[in-house]
Amino acid sequence: GAGVSQSPSNKVTEKGKDVELRCDPISGHTALYWYRQSLGQGLEFLIYFQGNSAPDKSGLPSDRFSAERTGGSVSTLTIQRTQQEDSAVYLCASSLGWEQFFGPGTRLTVL
Amino acid sequence: DQQVKQNSPSLSVQEGRISILNCDYTNSMFDYFLWYKKYPAEGPTFLISISSIKDKNEDGRFTVFLNKSAKHLSLHIVPSQPGDSAVYFCAASGYQAGTALIFGKGTTLSVSS
Repeated sequence: GAGVSQSPSNKVTEKGKDVELRCDPISGHTALYWYRQSLGQGLEFLIYFQGNSAPDKSGLPSDRFSAERTGGSVSTLTIQRTQQEDSAVYLCASSLGWEQFFGPGTRLTVL
Repeated sequence: DQQVKQNSPSLSVQEGRISILNCDYTNSMFDYFLWYKKYPAEGPTFLISISSIKDKNEDGRFTVFLNKSAKHLSLHIVPSQPGDSAVYFCAASGYQAGTALIFGKGTTLSVSS
């Protein structure tokens, strides 16, 4: 079956611009997560959605970051007024239980 | 402060030998531990996991050991194969499934033939 997909695979933007990253989770998975991996770092938790509950936004680094999940499926991560330190690979994952299934990521480069 | 630490950024092993990747954690509330493997330009893929009520879990060539008193876990790969060359991430989770994972920084394993 289809895995987690993310788009775009690469995004280059200028400092100060807004970007939207998309995630299509595995059908039927109730939980969806966003992580990011900066150069030389591990995966850093950003936000997660579980069913109809309010999302856990505790990992978002600033109020420039926001995410939504429409209809319990597709999610969009929005970064406003991008900064160079936002450059990273943004990974989405979905799960039903403990094991999280990851998408290929979106590589964001802020010039 | 890092809650999950992988203190070896890299490991080189010869084909056929054992690879041992280590991971330490600080939060005694972690209840579930997972290892992920990541190839360049791909997302991490799940490898093996262990619950805090166990001290060992085995799946083919992969075995994970958990020492709760030392807050330490390790992944053993025997025998190592060139295709195992990748970045390995240790991750920990809290009291229930569906919560966010806390990842270490990863260890890059290189298996030479």
